[in-house]
Amino acid sequence: AQKITQTQPGMFVQEKEAVTLDCTYDTSDQSYGLFWYKQPSSGEMIFLIYQGSYDEQNATEGRYSLNFQKARKSANLVISASQLGDSAMYFCAMRETGTYKYIFGTGTRLKVLA
Amino acid sequence: GAVVSQHPSRVICKSGTSVKIECRSLDFQATTMFWYRQFPKQSLMLMATSNEGSKATYEQGVEKDKFLINHASLTLSTLTVTSAHPEDSSFYICSARDTPGRRTPQHFGDGTRLSIL
Repeated sequence: AQKITQTQPGMFVQEKEAVTLDCTYDTSDQSYGLFWYKQPSSGEMIFLIYQGSYDEQNATEGRYSLNFQKARKSANLVISASQLGDSAMYFCAMRETGTYKYIFGTGTRLKVLA
Repeated sequence: GAVVSQHPSRVICKSGTSVKIECRSLDFQATTMFWYRQFPKQSLMLMATSNEGSKATYEQGVEKDKFLINHASLTLSTLTVTSAHPEDSSFYICSARDTPGRRTPQHFGDGTRLSIL
């Protein structure tokens, strides 16, 4: 069965510094997709970045980048130059094989300190 | 970008009431929508997959008769919590995909906070 693990329930980072949010996954599939979402306290889910298992390069979207290590089955999110508005819950998700359903991790609550 | 609208954003009602939540794709057609439930400080748990023109597919442990899903058009799916009780209080959020393809992310509505008194 597929599984997503986020081991950091909470993280603190100083404003303007970089932070890495961990995500490991378990799957026996060769083809899979990994997503990161941000959930502010208001509740909406904001798509941040996608990494495909066959992508040769790590995904980047502005201040977000993904440290994808396929052999270790990890897809860590790196946020550079943290801003106060980055304070939120961050979820890592995997698309289930054969469907478009998502399997979510338990999330990491990030707090950016001024 | 693709927009998913969810309504209402907040509901407070008495026990025994049925509550309908709407999920609309505003600028795209969605043959498939997803309904999630999220308890405070927890992750999203998929409740069901809503398929346009056919019955929804429910996840294990989700009561079909409690959580009625209707996907009557390509832009609208509804979740009805029937005879709601305090234990049904939760954050419900829907999502949809606008284009086929593995890289396409799900777009989420803003969620509905349901409080049953």
